[in-house]
Amino acid sequence: EAGVTQFPSHSVIEKGQTVTLRCDPISGHDNLYWYRRVMGKEIKFLLHFVKESKQDESGMPNNRFLAERTGGTYSTLKVQPAELEDSGVYFCASSQGGQYYEQYFGPGTRLTVT
Amino acid sequence: AQTVTQSQPEMSVQEAETVTLSCTYDTSESDYYLFWYKQPPSRQMILVIRQEAYKQQNATENRFSVNFQKAAKSFSLKISDSQLGDAAMYFCALTSGSRLTFGEGTQLTVNP
Repeated sequence: EAGVTQFPSHSVIEKGQTVTLRCDPISGHDNLYWYRRVMGKEIKFLLHFVKESKQDESGMPNNRFLAERTGGTYSTLKVQPAELEDSGVYFCASSQGGQYYEQYFGPGTRLTVT
Repeated sequence: AQTVTQSQPEMSVQEAETVTLSCTYDTSESDYYLFWYKQPPSRQMILVIRQEAYKQQNATENRFSVNFQKAAKSFSLKISDSQLGDAAMYFCALTSGSRLTFGEGTQLTVNP
């Protein structure tokens, strides 16, 4: 069974540009999460989808970030326009259920904004 | 708000020895789960061990075990008979709902 995949693995963009990150969860996992680790700090929650609906987006830093999950399958996270402080590693995770089910993580996308 | 603190940014251990990674947390919830995740270099983060807060018995998974002290809000990870493959970044995490709250991580080096 394929695990959680993320694309691209690494992205370097200039301040003010737009970047779209993609996450493909494990097939059949209705729950999808986005997290971010900035500058060696702790990994922080961004948002949680249940199927195509946003269950919790309280971790999204500002309105420059837009997450979608069309059809309840893959998800995209767009940053527009990117700022220097957006640099970090963006992780996606998926799980079979909510709450206490194990979350399976993708390898992450390393975003560098110059 | 929930917080997780890992006070050891780096740890090292000799192969075959035992090492303990520390984690403390704070939550106002009575029902929660605690996790240790491992991220090897350039690889995906994987779950090492999980502890339900309502269970008094410490969780064990092969060479990995936890010391869960609920009153002290402490959740340490013990790795016995350390192997070279145990070298990784270890994250302690807490959830009382769906989102995970992570600590800053402990980089573990295993010396041959």
